[in-house]
Amino acid sequence: AQKVTQAQTEISVVEKEDVTLDCVYETRDTTYYLFWYKQPPSGELVFLIRRNSFDEQNEISGRYSWNFQKSTSSFNFTITASQVVDSAVYFCALSEAPAGGSYIPTFGRGTSLIVHP
Amino acid sequence: ETGVTQSPTHLIKTRGQQVTLRCSSQSGHNTVSWYQQALGQGPQFIFQYYREEENGRGNFPPRFSGLQFPNYSSELNVNALELDDSALYLCASSLDGFENSPLHFGNGTRLTVT
Repeated sequence: AQKVTQAQTEISVVEKEDVTLDCVYETRDTTYYLFWYKQPPSGELVFLIRRNSFDEQNEISGRYSWNFQKSTSSFNFTITASQVVDSAVYFCALSEAPAGGSYIPTFGRGTSLIVHP
Repeated sequence: ETGVTQSPTHLIKTRGQQVTLRCSSQSGHNTVSWYQQALGQGPQFIFQYYREEENGRGNFPPRFSGLQFPNYSSELNVNALELDDSALYLCASSLDGFENSPLHFGNGTRLTVT
């Protein structure tokens, strides 16, 4: 069984602060994928990043960075110099390699980020 | 490039009724999946269609059913609605259901069952 835990229900910061969203996952598989999605108030989830279990290199994209650590089963997401437009619910998701079937991601419960001006 | 569109945006139904939700996938995408998102929760996988065939299903009862059409658009049907079916229903399209490509989501249909 796979499981994703986002322990932070809500985070509130002031603009320009750095913020880290935590994601801890559980899986018995050695091959799996991790994702982050952003859900603004409009409702649609927006894909941010996908990593596979064999690639532990951290990634930076503008103000966004991701820290993947297999040793602690974590895939944390940091926003540097946060902006009001970053306010949204962020979801971490895990999908394991299928046994003859399709990839089915399991989502965490999400972390609501509120950035105040 | 046309994104994922869902209709209707909002819907109110009575317990016991049936509902059909619709989704047009992003152009070029042949895989559609449906998710149920209860308030304050993450999306829960309902099922996925790849080239008109169901190729994955989550832990939802048979009264949740779906279709995918030759143009890769899709429908989600829910029979005998229950109060707990009230949720945001999200459709997502992707390319090749077996390749774990990123999901492109629509804005969802907000279903309220009274």
